[in-house]
This record gives sequence, C-alpha cells and structure tokens, in this order.
Amino acid sequence: GAGVSQSPSNKVTEKGKDVELRCDPISGHTALYWYRQSLGQGLEFLIYFQGNSAPDKSGLPSDRFSAERTGGSVSTLTIQRTQQEDSAVYLCASSSFGTGPTEAFFGQGTRLTVV
Amino acid sequence: AQSVTQLGSHVSVSEGALVLLRCNYSSSVPPYLFWYVQYPNQGLQLLLKYTTGATLVKGINGFEAEFKKSETSFHLTKPSAHMSDAAEYFCAVSASGNEKLTFGTGTRLTIIP
Repeated sequence: GAGVSQSPSNKVTEKGKDVELRCDPISGHTALYWYRQSLGQGLEFLIYFQGNSAPDKSGLPSDRFSAERTGGSVSTLTIQRTQQEDSAVYLCASSSFGTGPTEAFFGQGTRLTVV
Repeated sequence: AQSVTQLGSHVSVSEGALVLLRCNYSSSVPPYLFWYVQYPNQGLQLLLKYTTGATLVKGINGFEAEFKKSETSFHLTKPSAHMSDAAEYFCAVSASGNEKLTFGTGTRLTIIP
C-alpha cells in the first residue's frame, strides 16, 4: 500500500477483555515501531522491530502488552486483560533501513477505549 | 540514551507573527533530529529532519530548524504564522537513522487571528 495502515481505526472494549491491534507497514520497510499517545501526553515508545533482530521491548508498560511481527511485515499489538488506563491512541510507524537518513511514516492510529 | 525536552506545552502566536518552538536534546552520540506535526484528528507528518551537514534545515510549509550542537538545541521556526499552522508539534531524536525515535511531549500551537 501507499502508506502505513492500521486497523481497526476505533476499538471499544470492556475492561478485562483482550484486544489485538494490527499494523501493515509500507512495503519494504524493515523497521516498525509502536507508540502510544494518551490524552494530554506525548508519544510513548512501546516496541521497535528492526529486520530479523530481537525487538526492543523496553517501552512495554506491563506484561499484559505484547507484540509480534510476522514475516518481517505485518505486526500485531496485543493487550491482555485491558484496563481503563490503556485507553489511548496506538500509533504504528515504519521506516526503511539504509546507510543514509531515514524517516518514520506513521499510520492514522487505532483509538482504543476501554469501558 | 537519547531524550528530548520541549519547552512550553502550549504556545500562542498572532497570525503573521514569528513562530518559535523550542527543543533541546540529549544524546550520547551525534543525533538525528526530527520535527513532526500532528493536525487535529490526523496522523503524524514529518516536517523536517537533521542528519549531518548543513545545520539549518528547511522543511515543508515554510518551517525551518537550526541544529546548534553547542546549545544541544533544534528549535523550530517560521517567519510568519498562518491559521493553518495550528497543530501539535513534536520534536524527536534518534541515535541514527535506524534507531527508534524518542519524542518530546509536544507543543500545541494556537494561532490568534
């Protein structure tokens, strides 16, 4: 596709349920990032995938959060036993790998509301 | 490790006035620096970036930023504000072009007619 695609665009879930958020990066981009944007806060780094390297999971807030990237392309962010504080916009971005500078292209995000 | 500090969570300027959004960074290696803009109900869009070379970087929509190593700053400016510039602006740093981006907390820019 032409850009980073995220689905669903909006998700309302009940507290305690599990949710899966999907990200389709730009074709050929080897780096994929997940960020969380909460109301009134900046962009919180969650996890970073780069090619076949082990992902940088240092930003995941708890063990309820996990992410995988299959075949070096599509990524799924899973939140188990959702809590109200998980309500936020979850942003995915991808970038290319090279010797020169790169930039991250962001998707439109998934707005998660936990009720 | 890298970090970014954006001074001023809210900035208001009059239409036609100078826009100045401040960003200071901390990096253990020569940084790559970015400014992103987020318009209401839209995703993030890259405004400009600094990697190496010329320290004055020009971006889209008339914005520019200057990398000042001695001041560890990368402030964003625009000579004359337009109503359409109202948005949230994020400064970000990366250790290289292939590392994760670390963002500041953002500055919401309001343009006064």
